[in-house]
Amino acid sequence: ILNVEQSPQSLHVQEGDSTNFTCSFPSSNFYALHWYRWETAKSPEALFVMTLNGDEKKKGRISATLNTKEGYSYLYIKGSQPEDSATYLCASTNTGNQFYFGTGTSLTVIP
Amino acid sequence: DADVTQTPRNRITKTGKRIMLECSQTKGHDRMYWYRQDPGLGLQLIYYSFDVKDINKGEISDGYSVSRQAQAKFSLSLESAIPNQTALYFCATSEREAGDTQYFGPGTRLTVL
Repeated sequence: ILNVEQSPQSLHVQEGDSTNFTCSFPSSNFYALHWYRWETAKSPEALFVMTLNGDEKKKGRISATLNTKEGYSYLYIKGSQPEDSATYLCASTNTGNQFYFGTGTSLTVIP
Repeated sequence: DADVTQTPRNRITKTGKRIMLECSQTKGHDRMYWYRQDPGLGLQLIYYSFDVKDINKGEISDGYSVSRQAQAKFSLSLESAIPNQTALYFCATSEREAGDTQYFGPGTRLTVL
């Protein structure tokens, strides 16, 4: 079983601050790394999927990078807004087709 | 209309009862999944199905069973519910390729008394 870990578990930032979180995963048999955004009382929504070492993806103020050799991915949020408050999940897929989710980073953006 | 739907959305039941949670999708995806979410534990995979004739156990399949009635339908059953099965249950779907994005239903909150 893969062990996907996320840090920090939670954080609070002021509106306008930039922030980042980490997802670490076993690099053996790696296939893809996913980031999801999960708002309270809703279901997880996909942000990015990355497969290649060095991949970078961007959507508005949110971006992500991938290092498959060392087994980590960063998610960055530039100029955090209150609507960015959510739990951010990462999931790693191996060549056996299974998803393994981390426990998430809970972000609260204070107005 | 939502692409992935789950019924019921909330259910309270008693220990020992049989419960079925249903998931339907209109995305045309071959792959479907059932997860449970407990506070502090993230999403744990219960069962998954890559097509109608394929059923696989996930990390925590004990106490659960599934049925893939059609490409669009994947049901999760608790044969004899117990209190530690109280959780939020999510159904998800994905396309054929490994690593494809999963699309989640709205969740079913199950409470076993």
